[in-house]
Amino acid sequence: AQTVTQSQPEMSVQEAETVTLSCTYDTSESNYYLFWYKQPPSRQMILVIRQEAYKQQNATENRFSVNFQKAAKSFSLKISDSQLGDTAMYFCAFMSPSGGSEKLVFGKGMKLTVNP
Amino acid sequence: DTAVSQTPKYLVTQMGNDKSIKCEQNLGHDTMYWYKQDSKKFLKIMFSYNNKELIINETVPNRFSPKSPDKAHLNLHINSLELGDSAVYFCASSSRTISDTQYFGPGTRLTVL
Repeated sequence: AQTVTQSQPEMSVQEAETVTLSCTYDTSESNYYLFWYKQPPSRQMILVIRQEAYKQQNATENRFSVNFQKAAKSFSLKISDSQLGDTAMYFCAFMSPSGGSEKLVFGKGMKLTVNP
Repeated sequence: DTAVSQTPKYLVTQMGNDKSIKCEQNLGHDTMYWYKQDSKKFLKIMFSYNNKELIINETVPNRFSPKSPDKAHLNLHINSLELGDSAVYFCASSSRTISDTQYFGPGTRLTVL
């Protein structure tokens, strides 16, 4: 069974700084996807970024980028130029489409606070 | 132009009651899901339907029954509600042919008294 581990339960950062959120996962699958979702106080689950395991290039979305280390099974999220609106819970998630089961397996989440 | 919608957003009820949560997506996706987020914010899959067919049924009590009348709708019916059912329930949808990325509804906070 796949597992996702987010070892830092909480972090805080000053506005405009850069912060890195860590995530490791365990799987025997070769084809899979990794995601970071953000959950602000509004409760909405918002997709931040997605990475296909077969792609060597790290995904980027504006201020958000990942460091995907497939051999180490590590998938960290870097947020540059942090903004107050980045304050949220961040969830790392794994999904393997093999066998028709496309469920997301989530880590426990990490609470990020951006301070003014 | 809401993508994935859920009703109601809040649900407060007594133990033993039966309640339903509705979910609709207008993204043209073929797969829909129900996830449960507990009080510690942990998210876990409950069910998944593809084109109205059940494909994932995690170890969920029989009191929970999903129903998919068409591929744009996935409802969750809960019988004999218990205190431990209090949680936030999220509906999500995805398309196998596009990207497999799951898009979530706003969640339904269920409180059982």
